[in-house]
Amino acid sequence: DAMVIQNPRYQVTQFGKPVTLSCSQTLNHNVMYWYQQKSSQAPKLLFHYYDKDFNNEADTPDNFQSRRPNTSFCFLDIRSPGLGDAAMYLCATSREGVAGAGETQYFGPGTRLLVL
Amino acid sequence: GQNIDQPTEMTATEGAIVQINCTYQTSGFNGLFWYQQHAGEAPTFLSYNVLDGLEEKGRFSSFLSRSKGYSYLLLKELQMKDSASYLCAVRDNYGQNFVFGPGTRLSVLP
Repeated sequence: DAMVIQNPRYQVTQFGKPVTLSCSQTLNHNVMYWYQQKSSQAPKLLFHYYDKDFNNEADTPDNFQSRRPNTSFCFLDIRSPGLGDAAMYLCATSREGVAGAGETQYFGPGTRLLVL
Repeated sequence: GQNIDQPTEMTATEGAIVQINCTYQTSGFNGLFWYQQHAGEAPTFLSYNVLDGLEEKGRFSSFLSRSKGYSYLLLKELQMKDSASYLCAVRDNYGQNFVFGPGTRLSVLP
């Protein structure tokens, strides 16, 4: 019954070693988001896809990249993780109509990234 | 700019009522959302307001005043499991961007 799936739930990587986090959805939503959330802070939007259109937040570091090969899957690539990138990474989806009215976001369980 | 404010922490007693306030100043507005987030878990949707007034959903209600840039989440008959962070988020005019407030950590005491 899981609608937004993130794998793995916990990821350990080494300083500077590339890592990829994955997200898949069964909702057929056209918008997918990646957020970074550090302890006791609000989720911070990194980027989102509206269908195939990629939208990057102005303050998202170049170290973070994303791919959306099809409607169901979206990946977050961290090219050279630093200690400051240790956080919970949340994937979310939403359905946006032509007028943009849309609905709420649905979040996956998150991937907790640890950088050693 | 985008700015959403919430109290950082609140404490209430089991069985009581608590009101969590949220004020916002955003470049656009296309709805305000409340989410509950338990420690180490993803946010889960609680309520949504796009028009002024009160929306009620069981023990949870949310109010919106667009002219004042203000919303609150009301939790009734508090239970221990309601101890969590409550996030206020505003969706912008384009409908795709959600801006989150810092969250309010609620502790429910016996």
